[in-house]
Amino acid sequence: GENVEQHPSTLSVQEGDSAVIKCTYSDSASNYFPWYKQELGKRPQLIIDIRSNVGEKKDQRIAVTLNKTAKHFSLHITETQPEDSAVYFCAASDGYQKVTFGTGTKLQVIP
Amino acid sequence: NAGVTQTPKFQVLKTGQSMTLQCAQDMNHEYMSWYRQDPGMGLRLIHYSVGAGITDQGEVPNGYNVSRSTTEDFPLRLLSAAPSQTSVYFCASSYSRGVYEQYFGPGTRLTVT
Repeated sequence: GENVEQHPSTLSVQEGDSAVIKCTYSDSASNYFPWYKQELGKRPQLIIDIRSNVGEKKDQRIAVTLNKTAKHFSLHITETQPEDSAVYFCAASDGYQKVTFGTGTKLQVIP
Repeated sequence: NAGVTQTPKFQVLKTGQSMTLQCAQDMNHEYMSWYRQDPGMGLRLIHYSVGAGITDQGEVPNGYNVSRSTTEDFPLRLLSAAPSQTSVYFCASSYSRGVYEQYFGPGTRLTVT
């Protein structure tokens, strides 16, 4: 089955700096890669996703890149703000079976 | 439109007790799933359903049962609770499986003593 590895497990950045979270996956059949944000005590919520026919996708300060050859994808957050502090999960899916999640990255933005 | 709802929010069980975690969605989603979240381990899939009457096992199904008699409801049953089942449980739904956004419920924090 699919295996998703996520790094780093914790990340501290100064407000205004950029943050990058990286994930690798094992199943070459995976074609959908969502990112979820989970604030403390809350439910995970989708912030951005990318499909395998696209190499990069942007939404304001958030971007995701995908390298299918290397089987890795990354989340980039620019101009970080304190409200970006949360746990971020990457995931991978082949569109037919389960969605497999990474183990999460706790991002702390220091004011 | 309430989205995905879960009850209860908190529960304490003694070892060996059974209980049912409730999950409901009002978005007419086909796909529903149950995850457990443990520190450092992300979200692990317990069971999922692709429609009424159809369920299948996920990554960590042992000790849990599910059924899907309606599109809206997807209860999770703990047959004989064990301390290893102490976790936060999330129900999620999506239009279909795999390539669509999953909407999560607020979670149930379960402690087994």
